[in-house]
Amino acid sequence: GQNIDQPTEMTATEGAIVQINCTYQTSGFNGLFWYQQHAGEAPTFLSYNVLDGLEEKGRFSSFLSRSKGYSYLLLKELQMKDSASYLCAVYPPAGNNRKLIWGLGTSLAVNP
Amino acid sequence: GAVVSQHPSWVICKSGTSVKIECRSLDFQATTMFWYRQFPKQSLMLMATSNEGSKATYEQGVEKDKFLINHASLTLSTLTVTSAHPEDSSFYICSAPAQGGAYEQYFGPGTRLTVT
Repeated sequence: GQNIDQPTEMTATEGAIVQINCTYQTSGFNGLFWYQQHAGEAPTFLSYNVLDGLEEKGRFSSFLSRSKGYSYLLLKELQMKDSASYLCAVYPPAGNNRKLIWGLGTSLAVNP
Repeated sequence: GAVVSQHPSWVICKSGTSVKIECRSLDFQATTMFWYRQFPKQSLMLMATSNEGSKATYEQGVEKDKFLINHASLTLSTLTVTSAHPEDSSFYICSAPAQGGAYEQYFGPGTRLTVT
């Protein structure tokens, strides 16, 4: 079966660092996405990992271990505007009509 | 990046009426588009895959006769909620995959549907 797990909620303090984990069990793998979604808005793209390792992009970094079926999103120097839901999604192999498999999202609250 | 638009951004309709939501890829062609529904404080739920020139593929549990999808051109897909009921009130979002070798999906801004 297809399964993606993320924590439901997390809380952190402004200026701190937070790590949001995602584990997946899917029939095939062709990359993993992280999206950010503010309430009432559509998701916005944060990162895409297809090879093992850490990808850094400003305050946000994403890590992937394919052998462990594990990824994390690291947010540094947290700001209040980072309060949002963070969605992990896996891209199965081509031939699946490019349909993403979504986790349920992690709601992050950043407190002053 | 590529732009996907949706229209309307919000709509209020009476129970029993039908509502059409449009999803357009503005600067690229999309042979495939995805329609999602999202209830408050819940994750995205894929409803169906819209395929240009052929029938849509619906996810399990989604009524194809209630949620009509038409993908008449390479830049437009429409979702019609027929005989809407209050429980259909939700946030509907479309997305289209990037072209070529890229894997990103571009999301429309969403349509907030309220059925009274």
